[in-house]
Amino acid sequence: DQQVKQNSPSLSVQEGRISILNCDYTNSMFDYFLWYKKYPAEGPTFLISISSIKDKNEDGRFTVFLNKSAKHLSLHIVPSQPGDSAVYFCAASANSGNTPLVFGKGTRLSVIA
Amino acid sequence: DVKVTQSSRYLVKRTGEKVFLECVQDMDHENMFWYRQDPGLGLRLIYFSYDVKMKEKGDIPEGYSVSREKKERFSLILESASTNQTSMYLCASSFRRSGELFFGEGSRLTVL
Repeated sequence: DQQVKQNSPSLSVQEGRISILNCDYTNSMFDYFLWYKKYPAEGPTFLISISSIKDKNEDGRFTVFLNKSAKHLSLHIVPSQPGDSAVYFCAASANSGNTPLVFGKGTRLSVIA
Repeated sequence: DVKVTQSSRYLVKRTGEKVFLECVQDMDHENMFWYRQDPGLGLRLIYFSYDVKMKEKGDIPEGYSVSREKKERFSLILESASTNQTSMYLCASSFRRSGELFFGEGSRLTVL
C-alpha cells in the first residue's frame, strides 16, 4: 500500500509560469515532509522541507504548503525556469520514529521555454 | 558539505556475476541506505543500516545483501546478478534515522 502518492507522473509548464506539484499521504503519523529534485544520471538533491507544525515554508522560488486535514502537500515553483526541469520526489517520515523516509513515485516536470 | 561517494557511476555485468556497489560518506552519519530508482516506480528502499555491523531489510531486499564493516562505508552486493536488477542504484546517508537524506550520484547498473 502506497503511503505517499504523487498521482501526476508528469507536468509541463511554460517558462515564467507557476508549477504546482502535488503529493498525498495516508499515514497520519507522518510529521515531516521533504521534496527532492533529481536530474538524469545524478542523485536526488534536497529542495525544501516542512514540519507538521507549519502549513507553509518558503525558500526563494520554492514554497511548500501542507494541509494536514486533507493529508496533502504541494510544491509551488514561481517563476518556473527551464533548469527546473527534473523529476521531483515527495517524501515523508514520522520524525520522532525510527523508520526511513518514504518516497512517492515522482513527478517529471518539464519547463518549456 | 556532505559528500556521499559511490565507487562506480556506470557498470555493465553479465547474468550470474557477483556485483559489489560501494558507498562512502564523510559526515560521520550513523545511518546509511541503499535505494534503486526505476521509471514509474520511484525510489524503493533495498536495505538500510543504523549502525556498524547492523542491517535492516527495506521494501525490496530479495536478491541483494549488504555489508557495513565501518561506519563510513556501506556496500550493496548482488550475489548473482539478473537482468531485472538493471537499474539506477542510489546510496544515501543521514544524521537522524528518519531525517533528511544525502544522496550519492548513483550507480547505473546494466545486467546483460
